Amino acid sequence: QKEVEQNSGPLSVPEGAIASLNCTYSDRGSQSFFWYRQYSGKSPELIMFIYSNGDKEDGRFTAQLNKASQYVSLLIRDSQPSDSATYLCAVKEGDNFNKFYFGSGTKLNVKP
Amino acid sequence: NAGVTQTPKFRILKIGQSMTLQCTQDMNHNYMYWYRQDPGMGLKLIYYSVGAGITDKGEVPNGYNVSRSTTEDFPLRLELAAPSQTSVYFCASITGSGNTIYFGEGSWLTVV
Repeated sequence: QKEVEQNSGPLSVPEGAIASLNCTYSDRGSQSFFWYRQYSGKSPELIMFIYSNGDKEDGRFTAQLNKASQYVSLLIRDSQPSDSATYLCAVKEGDNFNKFYFGSGTKLNVKP
Repeated sequence: NAGVTQTPKFRILKIGQSMTLQCTQDMNHNYMYWYRQDPGMGLKLIYYSVGAGITDKGEVPNGYNVSRSTTEDFPLRLELAAPSQTSVYFCASITGSGNTIYFGEGSWLTVV
């Protein structure tokens, strides 16, 4: 069973602060890692993906990957109240090109 | 663009009843998925399909069946509904690159 673990939160940060979301995974063969945002009552939407060790930046979002530690994180700079949502980490199975496993999500609250 | 379309959006079933959740995508994606999401939890893969005529079990297939007679359609059948199947169901499909999952808007199912 492939495991993707996230702290359920809620994580509360003040507006303008950096929010740091973390995820660990069990399958060492995993190749690609994804962060999704899900507003209450809505379907998940892709924020970004990463497949190489290190950092990948996209606007206010930075994904960080450490395959040796089986750890992936998402940093949100200059957090806004509109960033308040649940953030899901997803991992693409290493030996099956298109099977994805999701964590249970971290709820983020950005306080004005 | 319609993307991934699911019906119905809401449904209440009685224990023991059966129903089919419909899913259609107009993006010519080969890969399609059914996930369920229990309250406060992540997405669990029920079934997936890599193309017309080919389906396989995911993490939580018990109590469900699928078929894939065309590229566009991937219906999910619930047989003998149980309260444990109360959940939100998401149909999804994926691009050829395998990195962007397109989700439907979800189907809220309650079994009473």
